[in-house]
Amino acid sequence: DAGITQSPRHKVTETGTPVTLRCHQTENHRYMYWYRQDPGHGLRLIHYSYGVKDTDKGEVSDGYSVSRSKTEDFLLTLESATSSQTSVYFCAISARDRGQTGELFFGEGSRLTVL
Amino acid sequence: AQSVTQLDSQVPVFEEAPVELRCNYSSSVSVYLFWYVQYPNQGLQLLLKYLSGSTLVKGINGFEAEFNKSQTSFHLRKPSVHISDTAEYFCAVSVRGHDKIIFGKGTRLHILP
Repeated sequence: DAGITQSPRHKVTETGTPVTLRCHQTENHRYMYWYRQDPGHGLRLIHYSYGVKDTDKGEVSDGYSVSRSKTEDFLLTLESATSSQTSVYFCAISARDRGQTGELFFGEGSRLTVL
Repeated sequence: AQSVTQLDSQVPVFEEAPVELRCNYSSSVSVYLFWYVQYPNQGLQLLLKYLSGSTLVKGINGFEAEFNKSQTSFHLRKPSVHISDTAEYFCAVSVRGHDKIIFGKGTRLHILP
C-alpha cells in the first residue's frame, strides 16, 4: 500500500458543473501526477506537480486545473465539466526524490461520469 | 517530446505458451523505460523498469524485457503464460532528468485455455 487515497471514488455530475478530485498521500513525496484512463487511449497525463505550488501541464491539460498548497494533497479541478471528461482518473506519486527513479505508485482511481 | 507506441491493442495467447508484447518509444535523448500491469478493476503496478546497465531486465511474475537502443524498443516477454496473467499491460517512458512519464495505449493480454 503506497499511502495514496483518492476521493471521491465515484461521482456522477452534470455538464457545466465544477468538479474537484482530491489525491492525498502519506509518503511525503515531491512528485504527484494526475492521469486519465480511457478505452483505446491508455493513460494520458493531465498535470503533474514537482513540489508545493509547482505544477506543469501534461498531454491533455485543457479543461483541467490543479493546485498543490501542501505536500500531501494534489487537487484536480474541472471548472465546467463536459461529457468528454467522463473517465477514470488516477493519481500517482513518484519516489524519484528518494532514488527510485521513475517508479509510480497509483491510487485506486476515481470514476467520473458527466451527464 | 517523448512518446510510446504499443503496436498491439490485444494479444490472445494459449495458456503455457510464450508471449511478447511490443513497445517502441520515440525520444532524441536518453530515457528510462517501464512496464506496468493493470489487473481487472485495479490500479496499475510496476512490472519492471530499465534505467541503465544490462539491457535485459527481469521483473515480477516471470516477465522480462529487453532494451534495444538501435530499434528504440522495449518488448516485454514471458516464456509461459498463466491464466492469472490476464491483464492490461502498459509501456511507459520518461526522459532522464525530466519529470513527465508518458504511457502507451496499453495491450490487453487474453489467455486462452
